[in-house]
This record gives sequence, C-alpha cells and structure tokens, in this order.
Amino acid sequence: GAVVSQHPSRVICKSGTSVKIECRSLDFQATTMFWYRQFPKQSLMLMATSNEGSKATYEQGVEKDKFLINHASLTLSTLTVTSAHPEDSSFYICSARDDRYTGELFFGEGSRLTVL
Amino acid sequence: QQQVKQSPQSLIVQKGGISIINCAYENTAFDYFPWYQQFPGKGPALLIAIRPDVSEKKEGRFTISFNKSAKQFSLHIMDSQPGDSATYFCAASRSLGNDYKLSFGAGTTVTVRA
Repeated sequence: GAVVSQHPSRVICKSGTSVKIECRSLDFQATTMFWYRQFPKQSLMLMATSNEGSKATYEQGVEKDKFLINHASLTLSTLTVTSAHPEDSSFYICSARDDRYTGELFFGEGSRLTVL
Repeated sequence: QQQVKQSPQSLIVQKGGISIINCAYENTAFDYFPWYQQFPGKGPALLIAIRPDVSEKKEGRFTISFNKSAKQFSLHIMDSQPGDSATYFCAASRSLGNDYKLSFGAGTTVTVRA
C-alpha cells in the first residue's frame, strides 16, 4: 500500500528555536497533503491543507506565521514550527491523498515535538 | 463544532468478544466514511471504509454498518484480540472536489483483555 513518511519521528528543541517536519509520499504523487495536531488522548485536529504550488489553507484559529507550510513538490510537504514554545509541544501528523484515486487518505507515522 | 460524534469514549471487552463503536454525522454531503486504528505514538492507519451506496462492508473481523437515513455508522470488531487494543477513530468527508477534509470523531479506546 501507499506509504507516507514523516521525519523526524521525535524532536526535542529549546524554546525560541524553529523546527521543520517533513512529510513525503513515497510511492505516489500527492497534490494535496494535510497537517494535523493531536494532543494526548484526543482526536486529530486539522491544522491546514497543503497544496502543491500554492499557499496552504489554514483552519480557523491556526497561526499562519507560527506554522509555516511549504508544498514544494508533488511528494513533499514541510511544516515549520517557528519560534517554538512549550505549548507547541504536540504530536504532528501529516496525511496525503493519492492523486490517482478519490477517497483514501494515507497517514504518516507522526512527529512528536517537545519544546523545553 | 464536531461534525462527527463518536461513542463510547472507551470500552473493555474480553478476548473473543465483540467490540461495537458508533458514530453519527450531520452533514448529508458526506459520502466517504473511513475508520482508522491508532496505536500509541503512531499515526492512524486506515482500517476499513464505506460509501453510502452500501449498508454493510466486511473485511475479516471488521464490519462497518451504515444507516443513511439515520446518518449513523458503526464499527464491529468480531472475535476481539489483545492486538486489537488501540484507539479507533471514525471519520467522514466529501470525496469529490477539493473539499476533502476529514472530520474525525473523538475516538474510542478499546482494551481487549485476555
């Protein structure tokens, strides 16, 4: 089946630094990718929709300048948490839709961000 | 506003028993209803999905029942095994066009006791 790879799986950083998380579709092209945030024992919260070659669409309440999204190619989207603070600590998950099909979304393994 | 309501929040079942998780939705434009399984520290993995043109779909021990008129769908896990212990999320979306955002339920933590 289709695979979505996220990197890094875990990252620890100091407050005030920026962290970049990569999301790659390994065996399919994905014009659209999605970024989610998940707090412990809670559901996935959609942060933004990433579209190749255009600006990301952010959900209400998500700070665009805090969470920078770049979808530079049909297989790569990146999420940069800028000037990270402890409250940004969370589990970030991306998903991608195979351009060949309507329906199924494939999820990455997630990236655990801890801001000290 | 949560577009998909999921219950129960958690359940415990004995090995070999049946786990049942229920979801309800409001948006009649939804036409794709997947279930995801998530283990701690991992991303969600698609378990099974259904579209409104069928009332039931079965894959191995997992069955989705769909009631379009009631706007409800449920996941049945038959012969539950300890390896099924995980959090299960129902979701719904429109599958056509660019508006393909999944709306997730709150999740159900299933514990299967040996």
